Parts: sequence; structure tokens; C-alpha cells
Amino acid sequence: QVQLQESGPGLVKPSGTLSLTCAVFGDSISHGNWWSWVRQPPGKGLEWIGEVLHTGNTNYNPSLKSRVTISVDKSTNQFSLKVSSVTAADAAVYYCARQRSLSGRPHPFFDYWGQGTLVTVSS
Amino acid sequence: DIQMTQSPSSLSASVGDRVTITCQASQDITDYLNWYQQKPGKAPNLLIFEASNLERGVPSRFSGSGSGTDFTFTISSLQPEDIATYYCHQSNTLPYTFGQGTKLEIK
Repeated sequence: QVQLQESGPGLVKPSGTLSLTCAVFGDSISHGNWWSWVRQPPGKGLEWIGEVLHTGNTNYNPSLKSRVTISVDKSTNQFSLKVSSVTAADAAVYYCARQRSLSGRPHPFFDYWGQGTLVTVSS
Repeated sequence: DIQMTQSPSSLSASVGDRVTITCQASQDITDYLNWYQQKPGKAPNLLIFEASNLERGVPSRFSGSGSGTDFTFTISSLQPEDIATYYCHQSNTLPYTFGQGTKLEIK
């Protein structure tokens, strides 16, 4: 059974950097799946942040691209998210998720999710 | 970005009712449309992928259809445990985008 678990500080100061890690259990991050971060502000909808492959290849949402870095650590089977220059608008529950697609097509769906971690932005 | 518009934004129905939610894309996304269920305080859960494929382990009362820009999600007979918010998600084009959600309540 695949499980994902987010970890990181729940409180970040304005203008600071948000850093989260997603640990993957029951699957190898090197298997060929892409891995994503998705966020959800309190009471609002879902926003895709970006994705990473085990090679280190990434794709980001243009709305966040200038502030976001997603990286992968194959040795620990984890991937990470950094968002710089945070504001109150970055306060959200952050989810990591595994992507799966049919026959390797670049049109994935998110089949496993972490439980989510709430990040608050406050001084 | 491709805009995904879900309708209705909220819905109240009785146990046993047939429930339908629609999702419209701002441009052709072929059939790369997925549906998720999210219960309060929980992560989204994949129900339908590529418009009409039922994820393993998901009850058969859930179904999806459509292609191009117009998609439908159906619960054939609403159960109390189906109370949740439902989201559509397009994966045809980066950046992946979600609908705003449909909150389903029991009447």
C-alpha cells in the first residue's frame, strides 16, 4: 500500500520560505511516476503547484513558478517543496500526491495523496 | 490556463437520489478529466480517471462521461457516506487545473 506523509513547519513568517518534505512509503520514487504538490487554502479549492520526476525534471504552475522549487532525494525516497517570499495568500493545507497515467501518457491523475499539512503565515 | 467550471457549486439531495454534477472546460481537453471526492479534513480521493474509468475499489454507483469540453459525474443512488465535496481536474495541459468544487449535502 502506497502512503505519502508531509512534514515541515506549520508556521512561516511573512517574506520567509516555506519548506515541506513528502516521504513516500510502499513505492520507489525512482519507479517512473511523477510526484506533485497541491495546495488548498482554508475553505477554498485545490491548486496544483508543480511536479517532479526522479530525474529531477520539474514542471511548475506559472502562477507560482518564480517562487517555487521542487526537488527529489532518491536516497531517502522523498521529495520536497520550497516556496519563497511567502505572504498570507500562501496559507493553505499542502498535499503531496503520486501521479499515475495510462500507458505512460503525459496526462496523469493523482491516485495517492498525503494527509495534508496546514501551513500558516504569520509573524 | 484551462478554466474548469463546475455546476452546481452546492447540491442537496435525498438518500437514494440520482445526483449529477457537470464540469465544463474552457477548451478541448479530450478525455483527460478526473473526478475526486474530498471529505472534511481529508485529502481528495480519486474516483474516476480519464472521464469514465472507475478507480479500483470505488463503488460502481459512481460514474463519469463526456469528452471535449463537457463532462458529467453521476452518483446513481446517493448514500449517506457520499456527503463530500467533489472536484473535477483536467490533465490535458499544464498547468493542471481543478474545478471550484461541488458541495453535496443530504436533504
